[in-house]
Amino acid sequence: EAGVAQSPRYKIIEKRQSVAFWCNPISGHATLYWYQQILGQGPKLLIQFQNNGVVDDSQLPKDRFSAERLKGVDSTLKIQPAKLEDSAVYLCASSLWDIRKGVTDTQYFGPGTRLTVL
Amino acid sequence: AQTVTQSQPEMSVQEAETVTLSCTYDTSESNYYLFWYKQPPSRQMILVIRQEAYKQQNATENRFSVNFQKAAKSFSLKISDSQLGDTAMYFCAFMKHAGNNRKLIWGLGTSLAVNP
Repeated sequence: EAGVAQSPRYKIIEKRQSVAFWCNPISGHATLYWYQQILGQGPKLLIQFQNNGVVDDSQLPKDRFSAERLKGVDSTLKIQPAKLEDSAVYLCASSLWDIRKGVTDTQYFGPGTRLTVL
Repeated sequence: AQTVTQSQPEMSVQEAETVTLSCTYDTSESNYYLFWYKQPPSRQMILVIRQEAYKQQNATENRFSVNFQKAAKSFSLKISDSQLGDTAMYFCAFMKHAGNNRKLIWGLGTSLAVNP
C-alpha cells in the first residue's frame, strides 16, 4: 500500500514570495492533516479536513496561509506572502474514517516538505 | 485539557542494549489512544506503536514495547536490542477516542542516540 505522498521535498524561497505544497493521502483515508514543525519542536496542527470539509483550522494563520481539498483526496497548502518564521517542515498526514464508529484512526505521515525562507 | 510530558530531552544507549523512554499524560477522558512516533534525521514521522486505553495488555511491535500504567497515566517505550537506525527523535502523543475533532496532543520529544 502506498503511503502519504508530498511534494516538493525541499523548497527555498525569499521572504514575501509565495509557495505551495501538495499532499496525496493514503487511498481511502478521508481525514487529512497539515502540520507545521519548527526545528526542535513537536508538530503543530494547522488544519484538519474531513473529506473536503474543514474540521479544525484554529491554528492556521489565515492572513497568509490557505489550504484546500477540493475533491476530498489531494490537498494543497499555500503560503502568501512567506515570512522568515515560516521556515519549517510541513507534514501531511492522513487517517481512516471509521463510519461505524464515527471516529478517525491512527495518523500516517508523509515525508514532509522542508521550507527555508531567506 | 490534555497534556503530554516527556521528561527526558536527550538520551543515549549503546548498540544492542535496552533503553526506556518516559511519557506521562494528563486527561479526564476514560478512553483514548496513546502513540509513540519516531522521527529520524530525514524528518519523516513514523508510527512506532499504538495503545488503546481500554486494553490492559501492553502493545508490542518487534523490539518495541510499552509499559502502559493507566492509573498512573504513564506510557513508557522500551526499545530492546537497540540498533543504530533507532537514532531519532521520539514523540509521545495522546488522542481522545470520541468526538469529531480528535487532535493528536504531542509531547516535546526525546532525542535518542544509539552509539556503536
